[in-house]
Amino acid sequence: AQKVTQAQTEISVVEKEDVTLDCVYETRDTTYYLFWYKQPPSGELVFLIRRNSFDEQNEISGRYSWNFQKSTSSFNFTITASQVVDSAVYFCALSEPGNSGYSTLTFGKGTMLLVSP
Amino acid sequence: EAGVAQSPRYKIIEKRQSVAFWCNPISGHATLYWYQQILGQGPKLLIQFQNNGVVDDSQLPKDRFSAERLKGVDSTLKIQPAKLEDSAVYLCASSLEGQGRTDTQYFGPGTRLTVL
Repeated sequence: AQKVTQAQTEISVVEKEDVTLDCVYETRDTTYYLFWYKQPPSGELVFLIRRNSFDEQNEISGRYSWNFQKSTSSFNFTITASQVVDSAVYFCALSEPGNSGYSTLTFGKGTMLLVSP
Repeated sequence: EAGVAQSPRYKIIEKRQSVAFWCNPISGHATLYWYQQILGQGPKLLIQFQNNGVVDDSQLPKDRFSAERLKGVDSTLKIQPAKLEDSAVYLCASSLEGQGRTDTQYFGPGTRLTVL
């Protein structure tokens, strides 16, 4: 079973529109971490946010905001007033404790966001 | 602070040839990871090092892939011989993480491998 599901393969918006990227995860652990990364055309994965399973407070950073809901196992990402520079592939990832005692990071398939002027 | 460095950025080889990728993690980061990212998919972990020891290599195709992290700093990932399906971006990441901790992984720019 897929542990991290990003159902939206591609989203296209016009500049200044708000857009929400969905992420649904699956885990049996009570302690885990969720991440969002951005991958622009250059290819490098850029860290955006990390959230642990005990902190359900929503977070806002500039035009970015994240909504974490344990009841629905979702960790959605909203970009307000999108800009062309936001065009990238966005990945949601889940970190769980592994058998070795070290955590493992599992990525979703990503959502490609295209923002046109 | 310098980020994760990788080289080369691009590599084109023919099938059955060998290739090697190099990674230098962020200074002080004990944990180093190699991921394979096939077009249209999320990164998949190949191998994880803690200092110079292997923590997890369960998804590394050991018949053709090998990796080492001598002296617990730089790492090299090798493919020998390469197959067409190895065409992908190979990402290196590092974190402060130790056993029982979860730290953020920071990624390098990746090496785009094309096998013809």
